[in-house]
Amino acid sequence: KAGVTQTPRYLIKTRGQQVTLSCSPISGHRSVSWYQQTPGQGLQFLFEYFSETQRNKGNFPGRFSGRQFSNSRSEMNVSTLELGDSALYLCASSLGSGGSGSYEQYFGPGTRLTVT
Amino acid sequence: AQSVAQPEDQVNVAEGNPLTVKCTYSVSGNPYLFWYVQYPNRGLQFLLKYITGDNLVKGSYGFEAEFNKSQTSFHLKKPSALVSDSALYFCAVRVLGGNTPLVFGKGTRLSVIA
Repeated sequence: KAGVTQTPRYLIKTRGQQVTLSCSPISGHRSVSWYQQTPGQGLQFLFEYFSETQRNKGNFPGRFSGRQFSNSRSEMNVSTLELGDSALYLCASSLGSGGSGSYEQYFGPGTRLTVT
Repeated sequence: AQSVAQPEDQVNVAEGNPLTVKCTYSVSGNPYLFWYVQYPNRGLQFLLKYITGDNLVKGSYGFEAEFNKSQTSFHLKKPSALVSDSALYFCAVRVLGGNTPLVFGKGTRLSVIA
């Protein structure tokens, strides 16, 4: 089975621009979660989607948004980029969601976003 | 609210020696507990999980972890460390049956010295 794929792998944007990151989960997985990883803050939870519904949302400003499509693929968007948004954005997929939280998550390689 | 603490930012161990990476958690209710490993420039890889049952859980690459409910701990262990085990290790927790996200600790960097 193919793993979780994320595109693009690297991205350089200018402050004020917007960006869209894409995630394709493992076939059959219906849950997709997004995380922001930075050296200072570690792994911070952004969103969790299950069957196109947002199940959980982390403590991030409204500039961060996401969605999930009927084929379970997911995108996240960051508008009005700030320097502090520079980070590794990780997507993870699993069979289940919060209510069946015993399922482990499988992570993609991440998208490295640099904001200048 | 749920939280995870990994009290050591860095753990150094000699190759061949046993290793322990510590994790304590706080949840309202029963926990699901996970360990993940991250190699440089890679995403996280699942190592093992505790859901219910036997307190000693065995996972990938010879790792195991022991769930201790009274001490609210889930320490990761390996009997004999390899240089290739050098990586960043994350403990994570989720509340059993609750619609809450997976919460990660800050991570512990393990260095195995030849």
